[in-house]
Amino acid sequence: GAGVSQSPRYKVAKRGQDVALRCDPISGHVSLFWYQQALGQGPEFLTYFQNEAQLDKSGLPSDRFFAERPEGSVSTLKIQRTQQEDSAVYLCASSRTSVDIQYFGAGTRLSVL
Amino acid sequence: EDKVVQSPLSLVVHEGDTVTLNCSYEVTNFRSLLWYKQEKKAPTFLFMLTSSGIEKKSGRLSSILDKKELFSILNITATQTGDSAIYLCAVGSNSNSGYALNFGKGTSLLVTP
Repeated sequence: GAGVSQSPRYKVAKRGQDVALRCDPISGHVSLFWYQQALGQGPEFLTYFQNEAQLDKSGLPSDRFFAERPEGSVSTLKIQRTQQEDSAVYLCASSRTSVDIQYFGAGTRLSVL
Repeated sequence: EDKVVQSPLSLVVHEGDTVTLNCSYEVTNFRSLLWYKQEKKAPTFLFMLTSSGIEKKSGRLSSILDKKELFSILNITATQTGDSAIYLCAVGSNSNSGYALNFGKGTSLLVTP
């Protein structure tokens, strides 16, 4: 596709449920980033992939958060046992290389009740 | 700790006005500064700045970087209601997390008819 695609656009989860958020990057982009954006804040870095390798996961807030990109294209961010503080917009971005312009998807708005 | 501060946090102007948005930063090993426009969809890339004093221009929008004073401005002339959005400033650095962008909180711009 022409841009970064994320699904679902909206997700409502009951506290304790597991969720999976999908990111389809721009074709051929080596680098993929996940960010978390709380209401009224700028995006905050979660994790970074170069092809299928997860090179940095320093921003993941807890071990309930897990991300993968097994074939170096589509990525999934999984949150286990969701809690209310996980409510946020989760943004995915991709770039040709790690230092190039990052192009963002529209995000997944997660609400945990 | 790396820091990106945007001001003002919010702004209301009338159509036709000119606005200046500010972004100051403190980062280790600065690489680039990027501006994005965020509406209720994917943040859209506007500019990437790496060198001081060179203005980048796209239509009614322009931006410039001052690496000595550690700030950038984004100017919008002859504003239109379609310019209403959150404008995000982000800084890339060659530091611990390697390639993640460090975002400010954004400036929320509302252009009234």
